[in-house]
Parts: sequence; C-alpha cells; structure tokens
Amino acid sequence: AQSVTQPDIHITVSEGASLELRCNYSYGATPYLFWYVQSPGQGLQLLLKYFSGDTLVQGIKGFEAEFKRSQSSFNLRKPSVHWSDAAEYFCAVGARTGANNLFFGTGTRLTVIP
Amino acid sequence: DAGVIQSPRHEVTEMGQEVTLRCKPISGHNSLFWYRQTMMRGLELLIYFNNNVPIDDSGMPEDRFSAKMPNASFSTLKIQPSEPRDSAVYFCASSSGQGSGGYTFGSGTRLTVV
Repeated sequence: AQSVTQPDIHITVSEGASLELRCNYSYGATPYLFWYVQSPGQGLQLLLKYFSGDTLVQGIKGFEAEFKRSQSSFNLRKPSVHWSDAAEYFCAVGARTGANNLFFGTGTRLTVIP
Repeated sequence: DAGVIQSPRHEVTEMGQEVTLRCKPISGHNSLFWYRQTMMRGLELLIYFNNNVPIDDSGMPEDRFSAKMPNASFSTLKIQPSEPRDSAVYFCASSSGQGSGGYTFGSGTRLTVV
C-alpha cells in the first residue's frame, strides 16, 4: 500500500539557519514526488516536484529536494530560512500510471524564531 | 487564470442543516479532488473526478456526504444533514494529466457546524 511518512511533526529553527524536512515513502514503483507548503488560513501551494532525471530538484522560494531511491526519501532543504517560511509542509506521492490521486503525508509544522 | 475558486470561504451552520460547498477548477484541468483537513486526521481525500466522472469515493465518510460534477467547470460537495464532527476545512483541487502536474488547491472552505 502507498504511504508517505513525515517523521517530524514540528520543527523549530532560527532565522538564517539551514533546514531539512524529512519525507519517506512506500510505493510499488518510483512515484511522482511533491512538496507543498500551507500558510495559515491558506490552501496548499506547490513548492517543487520530481518526475525523472536529476535527483536534485529546485523549487520556488529557494527550496530544493533530493530524491534518493535507495532510501525511498525525498527530503526538502533550504540553506537559509526566512521568517516568512513558517508554515506547514506536506510531502506527497502520485502514481505514474493508473489513478492520478496524490497521497499526502501528515505534514511538518515549521516555526522560525528570530 | 484565477486558480481554483471555492465558495463560500467560511460557513457556519446549525446541526441538521444542509451544507453545499462549491468549486470551480482551473480551466482545462480534467481532474478534480475534494479533501477535508482537520487537526486530528490531517488531509483526507474524500472523492475525485476524472473528466467529470467520479472515480474513487471511498473516502466519503458517510451517506450524508455527496459530490457532483455536472460539467467541467463546476463541482459541489453536499452534507445533509450536517453534524458538529463535520467541522473542518474542505479543499478542492484540480490537475491535468497523469498526476504529473501536481495539484492546484483552492483556498478552502472553513465549515463550522454548531
């Protein structure tokens, strides 16, 4: 069965520090992989996505993520966090064939302290 | 493009009343998804449509919930009768292709049933 695990429920980092949010998935084959961000009171916004090719993908707002097939992981990173990055982050996977619904992780809430 | 448009943004209703949530997907997107978000359960897929046809409604919690997509530009999610435990944020999302584009989410409808 498909599943997405985000082991960190809540992370606190200082402004300017680096960030890594973890995501592990369980899937029958290499899926499409996504990271979304949700600011308070808002819908989810797509940060970046991986389909194929280069395993390091760049997204909006200075975020990047690296697909590691051997670890079934797709961790999100940012070298220097800004206060405006405080939000909830969701990892998601989708099938390459068949049903086109996405499976979301439970999210990681990021707090940024001055 | 105005994105995925949901209405209303907020809805407060009394237990037992009928509630209808509305969604206008992005023009040209052929898939539409309804999600429910709560603190306890996170993001739950309720139902999704491909080309206006319901594909998977296994996430619809009870017969009190129903969804329709009469045409490519409009969908409704109806709860009748509503109960306090239905209080949540309901998101609509749309996508094109085989999941490769990811989803575009609406801003959500915050439903409170008192």
